[in-house]
Amino acid sequence: ETGVTQTPRHLVMGMTNKKSLKCEQHLGHNAMYWYKQSAKKPLELMFVYNFKEQTENNSVPSRFSPECPNSSHLFLHLHTLQPEDSALYLCASSQALTGQYEQYFGPGTRLTVT
Amino acid sequence: QQQVKQSPQSLIVQKGGISIINCAYENTAFDYFPWYQQFPGKGPALLIAIRPDVSEKKEGRFTISFNKSAKQFSLHIMDSQPGDSATYFCAATARRGSTLGRLYFGRGTQLTVWP
Repeated sequence: ETGVTQTPRHLVMGMTNKKSLKCEQHLGHNAMYWYKQSAKKPLELMFVYNFKEQTENNSVPSRFSPECPNSSHLFLHLHTLQPEDSALYLCASSQALTGQYEQYFGPGTRLTVT
Repeated sequence: QQQVKQSPQSLIVQKGGISIINCAYENTAFDYFPWYQQFPGKGPALLIAIRPDVSEKKEGRFTISFNKSAKQFSLHIMDSQPGDSATYFCAATARRGSTLGRLYFGRGTQLTVWP
């Protein structure tokens, strides 16, 4: 595997379900990000992790819970979501701590909340 | 408040023509400006980026023009091809800040190149 991978690619869940999104980066980067991409809205930054430590929570509702067990893996745990949470969830990574700000994105997980 | 404003929202260009997408920002601390290209079903991919110490950067058919005094930057796609049809996002970040590497994105421009 190369670059940034995300699983699953598609997910349909009910409002009472609990699911998790997984992201893995194979680039040796030290920062990872979760974004939400909805139609007609700009990319919304949700969480930032530098070296496994969360450095930003961009006012995200508590029904989204991130986890970063190491610098290569990032999870987004989902529970009791709302239909308006349906979107493309993108993971990205960068080497920001060493001054390289290019972010590399995964293909995203298309989430549908029914 | 939208930190980076992008226009137009959509753009239709004939094959061989020049596509121009514009972005503007207010935060003078921004000092790194990447452009991303996104195809349907894919994540955004870094296309080209510029730092404010230069006014122009060219990579193949893609050129970024940067106007620091006007706080504007633009992407020019020369000899546009149908394969360039995608959504383009401009972004900006301040390399020194509380959250390293946080990018502020424009709303995106849907480019369609007709054959």
